[in-house]
Amino acid sequence: QKEVEQDPGPLSVPEGAIVSLNCTYSNSAFQYFMWYRQYSRKGPELLMYTYSSGNKEDGRFTAQVDKSSKYISLFIRDSQPSDSATYLCAASSGGYQKVTFGIGTKLQVIP
Amino acid sequence: KAGVTQTPRYLIKTRGQQVTLSCSPISGHRSVSWYQQTPGQGLQFLFEYFSETQRNKGNFPGRFSGRQFSNSRSEMNVSTLELGDSALYLCASSLRQGLFHEQFFGPGTRLTVL
Repeated sequence: QKEVEQDPGPLSVPEGAIVSLNCTYSNSAFQYFMWYRQYSRKGPELLMYTYSSGNKEDGRFTAQVDKSSKYISLFIRDSQPSDSATYLCAASSGGYQKVTFGIGTKLQVIP
Repeated sequence: KAGVTQTPRYLIKTRGQQVTLSCSPISGHRSVSWYQQTPGQGLQFLFEYFSETQRNKGNFPGRFSGRQFSNSRSEMNVSTLELGDSALYLCASSLRQGLFHEQFFGPGTRLTVL
Protein backbone atom coordinates (compact mmCIF):
# COMPACT_ATOMS: atom_id res chain seq x y z
CA GLN A 1 0.00 0.00 0.00
CA LYS A 2 1.32 3.42 -0.95
CA GLU A 3 1.64 5.99 1.83
CA VAL A 4 -0.34 8.51 -0.25
CA GLU A 5 -3.22 7.23 -2.37
CA GLN A 6 -4.84 9.26 -5.13
CA ASP A 7 -7.37 8.32 -7.79
CA PRO A 8 -5.68 8.88 -11.18
CA GLY A 9 -8.98 9.76 -12.89
CA PRO A 10 -9.41 11.14 -15.47
CA LEU A 11 -11.97 13.56 -14.13
CA SER A 12 -13.99 15.61 -16.63
CA VAL A 13 -16.12 18.55 -15.52
CA PRO A 14 -17.90 21.41 -17.33
CA GLU A 15 -16.49 24.92 -17.13
CA GLY A 16 -17.67 26.73 -14.02
CA ALA A 17 -18.10 23.57 -11.94
CA ILE A 18 -16.66 23.10 -8.46
CA VAL A 19 -13.95 20.46 -8.58
CA SER A 20 -13.07 18.25 -5.64
CA LEU A 21 -9.76 16.38 -5.71
CA ASN A 22 -8.90 14.01 -2.90
CA CYS A 23 -6.11 11.92 -1.40
CA THR A 24 -5.76 9.64 1.57
CA TYR A 25 -2.59 8.90 3.48
CA SER A 26 -1.47 6.31 5.97
CA ASN A 27 1.54 7.82 7.75
CA SER A 28 0.44 9.54 10.96
CA ALA A 29 3.75 11.43 11.08
CA PHE A 30 2.85 13.55 8.02
CA GLN A 31 2.53 17.22 8.99
CA TYR A 32 2.92 19.10 5.70
CA PHE A 33 0.46 18.56 2.88
CA MET A 34 1.04 19.98 -0.58
CA TRP A 35 -0.84 20.31 -3.84
CA TYR A 36 0.97 20.62 -7.14
CA ARG A 37 -0.39 21.26 -10.63
CA GLN A 38 1.40 19.73 -13.59
CA TYR A 39 0.65 20.67 -17.16
CA SER A 40 1.57 18.28 -19.95
CA ARG A 41 5.32 18.24 -20.63
CA LYS A 42 6.02 20.57 -17.70
CA GLY A 43 7.34 20.17 -14.18
CA PRO A 44 4.97 20.28 -11.17
CA GLU A 45 4.06 23.74 -9.89
CA LEU A 46 3.40 24.21 -6.18
CA LEU A 47 -0.15 25.54 -5.65
CA MET A 48 -0.15 25.65 -1.86
CA TYR A 49 0.79 23.75 1.25
CA THR A 50 -0.95 23.26 4.57
CA TYR A 51 0.62 22.53 7.91
CA SER A 52 -1.30 20.06 10.07
CA SER A 53 -5.12 20.15 9.93
CA GLY A 54 -7.35 22.89 8.64
CA ASN A 55 -8.16 24.88 5.54
CA LYS A 56 -6.14 27.21 3.37
CA GLU A 57 -7.55 29.36 0.61
CA ASP A 58 -5.79 31.00 -2.34
CA GLY A 59 -8.08 32.58 -4.90
CA ARG A 60 -10.25 29.89 -6.44
CA PHE A 61 -8.32 27.12 -4.69
CA THR A 62 -8.98 25.75 -1.20
CA ALA A 63 -6.89 23.03 0.43
CA GLN A 64 -8.33 21.05 3.30
CA VAL A 65 -6.68 18.53 5.63
CA ASP A 66 -8.49 16.25 8.05
CA LYS A 67 -5.85 14.44 10.09
CA SER A 68 -8.42 12.42 12.02
CA SER A 69 -9.48 10.66 8.83
CA LYS A 70 -6.14 11.10 7.04
CA TYR A 71 -7.89 12.84 4.16
CA ILE A 72 -6.53 15.64 1.95
CA SER A 73 -8.71 17.67 -0.41
CA LEU A 74 -8.31 20.41 -2.99
CA PHE A 75 -11.35 22.35 -4.15
CA ILE A 76 -11.35 24.47 -7.29
CA ARG A 77 -14.20 26.96 -7.64
CA ASP A 78 -15.43 28.29 -10.97
CA SER A 79 -13.20 25.86 -12.86
CA GLN A 80 -11.68 27.09 -16.13
CA PRO A 81 -10.33 25.21 -19.16
CA SER A 82 -6.88 26.48 -18.13
CA ASP A 83 -7.22 24.37 -14.96
CA SER A 84 -6.96 21.24 -17.11
CA ALA A 85 -3.87 19.51 -15.80
CA THR A 86 -2.73 16.73 -13.50
CA TYR A 87 -3.01 17.55 -9.81
CA LEU A 88 -0.60 15.88 -7.41
CA CYS A 89 -1.01 15.70 -3.67
CA ALA A 90 2.05 15.21 -1.49
CA ALA A 91 2.88 14.85 2.18
CA SER A 92 5.93 15.15 4.38
CA SER A 93 6.61 14.77 8.08
CA GLY A 94 9.04 17.67 8.07
CA GLY A 95 12.26 17.39 10.04
CA TYR A 96 14.24 16.80 6.86
CA GLN A 97 12.18 13.73 5.94
CA LYS A 98 11.46 13.19 2.25
CA VAL A 99 8.15 14.02 0.60
CA THR A 100 5.78 11.34 -0.72
CA PHE A 101 3.57 12.02 -3.71
CA GLY A 102 0.26 10.64 -4.87
CA ILE A 103 0.03 9.30 -8.42
CA GLY A 104 -1.81 12.43 -9.60
CA THR A 105 -5.38 13.04 -10.83
CA LYS A 106 -5.84 14.16 -14.43
CA LEU A 107 -8.48 16.87 -14.64
CA GLN A 108 -10.17 18.09 -17.82
CA VAL A 109 -12.41 21.15 -17.74
CA ILE A 110 -14.71 21.19 -20.77
CA PRO A 111 -15.60 24.65 -22.20
CA LYS B 1 14.16 35.57 -11.02
CA ALA B 2 14.90 32.61 -13.28
CA GLY B 3 13.36 29.28 -12.37
CA VAL B 4 14.96 25.86 -12.07
CA THR B 5 16.60 24.81 -15.32
CA GLN B 6 17.42 21.30 -16.45
CA THR B 7 19.51 20.08 -19.35
CA PRO B 8 19.10 18.33 -21.62
CA ARG B 9 15.32 18.32 -22.00
CA TYR B 10 15.22 15.10 -23.98
CA LEU B 11 17.63 12.18 -24.16
CA ILE B 12 17.65 8.81 -25.89
CA LYS B 13 20.06 6.13 -24.73
CA THR B 14 20.45 2.38 -25.14
CA ARG B 15 20.59 -0.27 -22.44
CA GLY B 16 23.91 -0.50 -20.67
CA GLN B 17 24.92 3.08 -21.34
CA GLN B 18 25.23 5.74 -18.67
CA VAL B 19 23.73 9.21 -18.58
CA THR B 20 24.35 12.48 -16.74
CA LEU B 21 21.60 15.03 -16.19
CA SER B 22 22.14 18.59 -15.02
CA CYS B 23 20.11 20.92 -12.82
CA SER B 24 20.60 24.60 -11.99
CA PRO B 25 18.55 25.72 -8.98
CA ILE B 26 16.84 29.05 -8.44
CA SER B 27 19.40 31.69 -7.47
CA GLY B 28 19.92 31.58 -3.70
CA HIS B 29 18.49 28.09 -3.31
CA ARG B 30 21.00 25.72 -1.79
CA SER B 31 19.07 22.45 -1.72
CA VAL B 32 18.46 20.34 -4.81
CA SER B 33 16.32 17.21 -4.88
CA TRP B 34 15.90 14.74 -7.70
CA TYR B 35 12.79 12.76 -8.58
CA GLN B 36 11.80 10.09 -11.08
CA GLN B 37 8.30 10.29 -12.57
CA THR B 38 6.69 7.35 -14.40
CA PRO B 39 3.03 6.68 -15.26
CA GLY B 40 2.94 3.59 -13.07
CA GLN B 41 4.78 4.79 -9.96
CA GLY B 42 4.24 8.52 -10.12
CA LEU B 43 6.81 10.87 -8.60
CA GLN B 44 9.43 9.10 -6.53
CA PHE B 45 12.15 10.76 -4.50
CA LEU B 46 15.71 9.90 -5.50
CA PHE B 47 17.90 12.05 -3.27
CA GLU B 48 18.53 15.52 -1.85
CA TYR B 49 21.76 17.48 -1.89
CA PHE B 50 22.61 20.41 0.34
CA SER B 51 26.01 22.04 0.77
CA GLU B 52 27.53 19.54 -1.65
CA THR B 53 26.49 16.58 0.53
CA GLN B 54 23.76 14.02 0.02
CA ARG B 55 21.32 14.55 2.91
CA ASN B 56 18.47 12.22 2.09
CA LYS B 57 18.03 9.21 -0.14
CA GLY B 58 15.07 7.31 -1.58
CA ASN B 59 14.80 3.61 -2.38
CA PHE B 60 16.71 3.43 -5.64
CA PRO B 61 19.67 1.18 -6.53
CA GLY B 62 23.23 2.41 -6.40
CA ARG B 63 23.23 2.89 -10.19
CA PHE B 64 21.57 6.22 -9.42
CA SER B 65 24.00 8.75 -8.01
CA GLY B 66 24.40 12.48 -7.86
CA ARG B 67 26.56 15.33 -6.77
CA GLN B 68 26.30 18.99 -6.02
CA PHE B 69 28.81 21.69 -6.77
CA SER B 70 29.81 24.71 -4.71
CA ASN B 71 27.49 26.94 -6.78
CA SER B 72 24.57 24.60 -5.83
CA ARG B 73 24.22 23.21 -9.34
CA SER B 74 23.65 19.49 -9.30
CA GLU B 75 24.14 16.52 -11.59
CA MET B 76 22.52 13.12 -11.52
CA ASN B 77 24.11 10.05 -13.05
CA VAL B 78 22.54 6.76 -13.97
CA SER B 79 24.90 3.94 -14.89
CA THR B 80 24.16 0.70 -16.74
CA LEU B 81 20.82 1.93 -18.00
CA GLU B 82 17.83 -0.42 -18.01
CA LEU B 83 14.60 -0.18 -20.00
CA GLY B 84 12.76 0.59 -16.76
CA ASP B 85 14.82 3.74 -16.27
CA SER B 86 12.80 5.45 -19.02
CA ALA B 87 11.10 8.29 -17.18
CA LEU B 88 10.84 12.01 -16.64
CA TYR B 89 13.60 13.08 -14.26
CA LEU B 90 12.77 16.20 -12.30
CA CYS B 91 14.88 18.29 -10.04
CA ALA B 92 13.52 20.71 -7.48
CA SER B 93 15.24 23.40 -5.45
CA SER B 94 14.51 25.02 -2.11
CA LEU B 95 16.23 27.57 0.09
CA ARG B 96 17.40 25.10 2.69
CA GLN B 97 17.67 21.41 3.41
CA GLY B 98 14.41 19.60 4.04
CA LEU B 99 12.04 22.35 2.84
CA PHE B 100 10.08 19.87 0.75
CA HIS B 101 6.90 21.88 1.24
CA GLU B 102 8.53 24.91 -0.39
CA GLN B 103 10.35 23.40 -3.34
CA PHE B 104 10.15 24.46 -6.96
CA PHE B 105 10.48 22.06 -9.85
CA GLY B 106 12.25 22.34 -13.16
CA PRO B 107 10.72 21.23 -16.47
CA GLY B 108 12.39 17.83 -16.32
CA THR B 109 14.56 15.70 -18.58
CA ARG B 110 12.69 13.05 -20.57
CA LEU B 111 14.95 9.98 -20.74
CA THR B 112 14.12 7.15 -23.13
CA VAL B 113 16.12 3.92 -22.89
CA LEU B 114 15.97 1.66 -25.94
